[in-house]
Amino acid sequence: QKEVEQNSGPLSVPEGAIASLNCTYSDRGSQSFFWYRQYSGKSPELIMFIYSNGDKEDGRFTAQLNKASQYVSLLIRDSQPSDSATYLCAVNMMVTGGGNKLTFGTGTQLKVEL
Amino acid sequence: DAEITQSPRHKITETGRQVTLACHQTWNHNNMFWYRQDLGHGLRLIHYSYGVQDTNKGEVSDGYSVSRSNTEDLPLTLESAASSQTSVYFCASSESRGMNIQYFGAGTRLSVL
Repeated sequence: QKEVEQNSGPLSVPEGAIASLNCTYSDRGSQSFFWYRQYSGKSPELIMFIYSNGDKEDGRFTAQLNKASQYVSLLIRDSQPSDSATYLCAVNMMVTGGGNKLTFGTGTQLKVEL
Repeated sequence: DAEITQSPRHKITETGRQVTLACHQTWNHNNMFWYRQDLGHGLRLIHYSYGVQDTNKGEVSDGYSVSRSNTEDLPLTLESAASSQTSVYFCASSESRGMNIQYFGAGTRLSVL
């Protein structure tokens, strides 16, 4: 089982619709969770992070966390063509000897169609 | 504005050569990280550092080394480049270990021929 799993997609949604991206993780001790957006040929860009159960909203983006079920999701409302990108889920996991590392999923490709 | 810069942006080298990729951040972050990104594997951690003189191995550290002599820089060295090390390399930094909110540089595309 992969530590962080995402559906690779592509996920196609029409412009103006809600895009729902999902991520599951294996480490129950994980405390913080991140969504990065990566355009083709570019570096990952932090969109949101969440560490408490429930929802966190920032503009058109909502991150949802359910620690009991070990999943985190990202909702994008009123999707725009500029949202077309790969979305990476990252989980902050403890490492042996102290400290933390981010473990990334392989990403979900989102396509917003006109 | 504070930033994290990587150089070079593109590099072509031959197998067996030593290559060093630079990473410089002006956020004064203690934590710095090197990743490689390959199709089908996503981002994988190579090495990381929590401060000056501190370095740690990540999940794909074989064939790579880092050193941290100051807060701003974490150069990544490929001791003897191999074709399997053809990849896109990203450097990142974060302020605290706890939340570990990482910000990425623009990346270096390395081809080993």
